[in-house]
This record gives sequence, C-alpha cells and structure tokens, in this order.
Amino acid sequence: EIVMTQSPATLSVSPGERATLSCRASQSVSSNLAWYQQKPGQAPRLLIYGASTRATGIPARFSGSGSGTEFTLTISSLQSEDFAVYYCQQYNNWPPYSFGQGTKLEIK
Amino acid sequence: EVQLVESGGGLVQPGGSLRLSCAASGFTFSSYWMSWVRQAPGKGLEWVANIKQDGSEKYYVDSVKGRFTISRDNAKNSLYLQMNSLRAEDTAVYYCAGSRRGATFDYWGQGTLVTVSS
Repeated sequence: EIVMTQSPATLSVSPGERATLSCRASQSVSSNLAWYQQKPGQAPRLLIYGASTRATGIPARFSGSGSGTEFTLTISSLQSEDFAVYYCQQYNNWPPYSFGQGTKLEIK
Repeated sequence: EVQLVESGGGLVQPGGSLRLSCAASGFTFSSYWMSWVRQAPGKGLEWVANIKQDGSEKYYVDSVKGRFTISRDNAKNSLYLQMNSLRAEDTAVYYCAGSRRGATFDYWGQGTLVTVSS
C-alpha cells in the first residue's frame, strides 16, 4: 500500500499571499496524483488531477506540479474562500486508493 | 446539475448492520465507477470500496473486507453499501463519489453519518 504524507499539517498564510503545500508518496505514483479541497461541513471537491491539470471550474490561481514521489499544490494569491483543508490522493496503484492526512490552510 | 444524495446513516450498536444508499442524477451514472469514501470525526479521508460501471468488479479496503458489500442498480441510478458486523471504528461520515475513469473522485455527495456505539 502506498502511503501519502502531506506537509505541513497546518499552514498559516495571509490573504493575497502565496501558499505552497507538499505531498510525498512512499513510492512512485508517476503523475497519478490528485488534490482535493474540503471546507468545514462540506464534501471534498476535486481541484487537480494528473498532478497538474485543473478540474473543471477551478480557478487558475490553483496549480499543481511534481511527479514520482514529490508533489506540490500552489495557490498563487489566497482568497478568503481558499482557507480549507487540502488532501492529496494517489491513483497509480489501487486498491486501495490512498489519501494524505491533509493540510489545513488557515488565515494568518 | 450533478447530484449525489446519500441516505441510511444513523446510530447502530456494535455488531449491528446498516444499509447506505446513494441516489445519483445529472450525469450518466452507468458510465462511472462509484465509490464509498469515509471520514471519521475530525480525521482525514479513507476510501472504503468501489464498483465498476457494470458491477463486474468490486474492491474493498482490507479493514472492511468480509463485512461490507458494495452494489449498484444502474436502472435506478443508485449505489448501495451493506455494512454488517459494525465496529466503533466504522463511525464516520460516508460519502458516495463518482469516478469517470476509476481514478479520481470527480463527484461527491454531501455524506451520511454512521455512528456505531452502545
């Protein structure tokens, strides 16, 4: 089973600034990596798939990069609605699909 | 508009059973892999099970194998999860999710809470 590790657990950033979230896989997942956003009381929402492709309707300030075992989600200029928990997920080797433990992005 | 609406959650005693349902609309249900993903209170996401478009393949996380059964009815645009021998550690919000390619979880329901407690 592939283990996904996200860092940091909590990230404090001011609105308008850039946020960089990291995700590491215990073995290569190629580019088969997705990112999700979850706000309190809501279901997750797909942001990025294929490590770098934005899902339908996702703003251009969200970008993903990486391949193999190291991945990054960057939010270029934080808006108030971006403060949430972010999860990475690998789909290279399944079952099982595996998620990271999440990074909470909070307002500084 | 895509909609996934889960139902069937509630309070159940350890060792008990529960059947979750998920009603889909707004997309071609029969063309999607469907999954159940759960989230324990205050915790992260855990994939539980999935089923292929025609029901010919089903997969489970090890912790639920032999206890949970996923099924679907494409004529009714519905997904199900039969949960038996429930344990306290199964307590979670259960989401149904649709996947066009059996890879990412493209569509999500709002979730239904399952609480296993005496």
